[in-house]
Amino acid sequence: EVQLVQSGAEVKKPGESLRISCKGSGYGFTSYWIGWVRQMPGKGLEWMGIIYPGDSDTRYSPSFQGQVTISADKSINTAYLQWSSLKASDTAIYYCARRAEGAEYFQHWGQGTLVTVSS
Amino acid sequence: EIVLTQSPGTLSLSPGERATLSCRASRGVSSSYLAWYQQKPGQAPRLLIYGESNRATGIPDRFSGSGSGTDFTLTISRLEPEDFAVYYCQQYVSSPLTFGGGTKVEVK
Repeated sequence: EVQLVQSGAEVKKPGESLRISCKGSGYGFTSYWIGWVRQMPGKGLEWMGIIYPGDSDTRYSPSFQGQVTISADKSINTAYLQWSSLKASDTAIYYCARRAEGAEYFQHWGQGTLVTVSS
Repeated sequence: EIVLTQSPGTLSLSPGERATLSCRASRGVSSSYLAWYQQKPGQAPRLLIYGESNRATGIPDRFSGSGSGTDFTLTISRLEPEDFAVYYCQQYVSSPLTFGGGTKVEVK
């Protein structure tokens, strides 16, 4: 069974750094792209970017380029999303999702990580 | 960037009724590159339809997708209690990938 298990909720202050994780299991982790999707409170879904753990090839949405960093450690089947300096507007639920083979829709989703940024 | 506009914002229907959800693209999207997701409160999105009309694993056949060019439709033939949720379309013909703003299907 394909599973994506994300790290737990975080409460941070503006200006702090953060890395959240997404651990894949039940499939060949290095062979499928993993994407990150933001959902701000009460709002819709926004694609942030995507990484291929096999070679760490990474693409970003222009809206998130330079704002976050996506990475992966294939030795532990884990993808990451990180911020160097959080803002209050980063408050959201962040989902990781595994892309389908050969097409950019998302077949499997993590449970989401709530990030709250507040002074 | 392709903008997807979903309508209506909210659809109020009763169990057993037919739901018709619209997704309009700002420019042409091959029907092979459109997906639909369902999201219930407190849950992650779930893939329903991909390639415009293919149901994902485990999705009942009361869900169907259709359309072409810039206009796409998700149809739920007879609403079951578990179908009341928010539905999103997504295009994957070009980067950046984009989602529609969602349609909430609520109990009338």
